[in-house]
Amino acid sequence: ELKVEQNPLFLSMQEGKNYTIYCNYSTTSDRLYWYRQDPGKSLESLFVLLSNGAVKQEGRLMASLDTKARLSTLHITAAVHDLSATYFCAVQGSARQLTFGSGTQLTVLP
Amino acid sequence: DGGITQSPKYLFRKEGQNVTLSCEQNLNHDAMYWYRQDPGQGLRLIYYSQIVNDFQKGDIAEGYSVSREKKESFPLTVTSAQKNPTAFYLCASSKRLAGGSGSYNEQFFGPGTRLTVL
Repeated sequence: ELKVEQNPLFLSMQEGKNYTIYCNYSTTSDRLYWYRQDPGKSLESLFVLLSNGAVKQEGRLMASLDTKARLSTLHITAAVHDLSATYFCAVQGSARQLTFGSGTQLTVLP
Repeated sequence: DGGITQSPKYLFRKEGQNVTLSCEQNLNHDAMYWYRQDPGQGLRLIYYSQIVNDFQKGDIAEGYSVSREKKESFPLTVTSAQKNPTAFYLCASSKRLAGGSGSYNEQFFGPGTRLTVL
């Protein structure tokens, strides 16, 4: 059974600081997705990572995938308040369905 | 504009009632999914369908039922057998799950339905 673990679950950070969210998973996969969810809203697709060593960047967010370590990271550079949201990683398993992590609730403080 | 719509946005159910949540997409996607999200938690898969007239149980299908009579529509019924149905329900769709090294399953989500049992 595929298990996906995110940490930290809660993250408060000051504006302008850098931080990394980690997504570990338990079985082999080279398909990993990052989503953003604002309070009370739906999920918005951020990144699709499709191979070992894949790196994607959009604005202050950068995602990477290490399939050998079964680890993906979401790095936040010089955080701003607009990045406050919950971030989910999802891993595509052998049945091609997605298993989601519990989410990281990010709060960027002024 | 292409997208996924869900209705209603809020739904209240009395104990013992069945209720049906609507999900429609005009993205021409073959695959559709239903997830449940409880406060502070991730998403759990209820049912999914890869093609019209076919669907499979996800991890938490008990107390739920679905149909897929049209490509665009994938309604979810929450039956009275579901003992704790209060949650946020999200519908998603994706292109057909093809095989091969280049395939992937990026899912796109609707706005959600918040169901509360009174």
